[in-house]
Parts: sequence; structure tokens; C-alpha cells
Amino acid sequence: DVKVTQSSRYLVKRTGEKVFLECVQDMDHENMFWYRQDPGLGLRLIYFSYDVKMKEKGDIPEGYSVSREKKERFSLILESASTNQTSMYLCASSRQVSTNEKLFFGSGTQLSVL
Amino acid sequence: GNSVTQMEGPVTLSEEAFLTINCTYTATGYPSLFWYVQYPGEGLQLLLKATKADDKGSNKGFEATYRKETTSFHLEKGSVQVSDSAVYFCALVTGGFKTIFGAGTRLFVKA
Repeated sequence: DVKVTQSSRYLVKRTGEKVFLECVQDMDHENMFWYRQDPGLGLRLIYFSYDVKMKEKGDIPEGYSVSREKKERFSLILESASTNQTSMYLCASSRQVSTNEKLFFGSGTQLSVL
Repeated sequence: GNSVTQMEGPVTLSEEAFLTINCTYTATGYPSLFWYVQYPGEGLQLLLKATKADDKGSNKGFEATYRKETTSFHLEKGSVQVSDSAVYFCALVTGGFKTIFGAGTRLFVKA
């Protein structure tokens, strides 16, 4: 089975800190995604990547950046954390670009910015 | 633009009750439709999918039929169990290859 691993389950940071959220997948998937999950809003796409060193903005990229130096690893960076970035962050991967492909998710990182 | 609308929760049912969670969508082209489930403390996992009109996806006793005429993909289960308590997300994928999720519906099943 595909495993998508997020480095931290819970994270507490202070306003203004630089925050790194790490995600690793072990099945050689081409595509990786970062979502944030908020009650009543569902999942919203922050950034995604179809290849190493390639990135595309999703629907809510402001305040975030990403890095994909290796195929299996996709990092989400909060340059200067703010309280409105308190949320559950979910990483996902998929095998290829297709309308039929399902997403494989990590367990999520609950980030609190104080 | 493309979007997914689900019924608001929470939905609370007794064990063995019939479940329906409504989902409608707006999309250009011919999307694929998905239901994902999120159990407490876990990420989302695929429950079922349908890739063209009139297809029925099914898994673990859950079913959903892709209805193009009503732009709907309602989730049903004939007899729910306590272990079905989770959050259910309807989603679509169009030619842009991005997955668009609904807001999610939380289900509580009482013994």
C-alpha cells in the first residue's frame, strides 16, 4: 500500500516564525499536493507539483511556498506564520495526471499558530 | 467555476438505519466523481468513485450513482454501523486534474 508520511502530527508555532511541513511518499508517485482543511470549508488546495522542481499554485497560495527537490518529498513552507494559518494541513499524492486517479493522503499535521 | 455542494452535517443515525448524504456538483466537461472518508485522527481515503454518467461506484456497502441529468452523486448505505462514524467528502476531478472537494459531512452512528 502507498504510504504518505507527514513529519509531525501536531505542531505549535509562534506568529512570525518560519514553519516547514514535510511530506514523503514511498510509491514513486508523480504528483503531490498540499491542502488545508478547515471546518465548513472542506479541503482547499494550496500548491501542487507534477514533477521534481516543478510547482503550481492552487486556490489559496498566499502566505505559503513549496519545495520539491526530490520526487518523493514535498515540503510546505510558511514564510512568516500568522494566526489565520492555524489549520489541519494534509499532504496527498497520486500516480499520474488523470481524471480517474485517486489521491493518497497522509494523516495530517494540526498546526497551531499562537 | 467547478464546485461541489454537500448536505450540511452533522448527521446522526442509529445503528442499522439507512444513510443518504446528498452531493451535487457544477463542472465543465465530464468530471470523475469521488467519495472520500476520513476516520477520526486519519487522513482521507477513497471510498468509491464513478468516472462517467450512470456509473455506480460501490464499496463496503456504500453506493453512489453518477447522475448527469441532475448533476448529483448521492452516497447511500442500507444499514450503517457505529464504525461508519466519520467525515465524508464528495469530490470531482475535471480536465484540470485538480480534485475539488465539498465541505464534508460528519456522520455519527449511535449504538
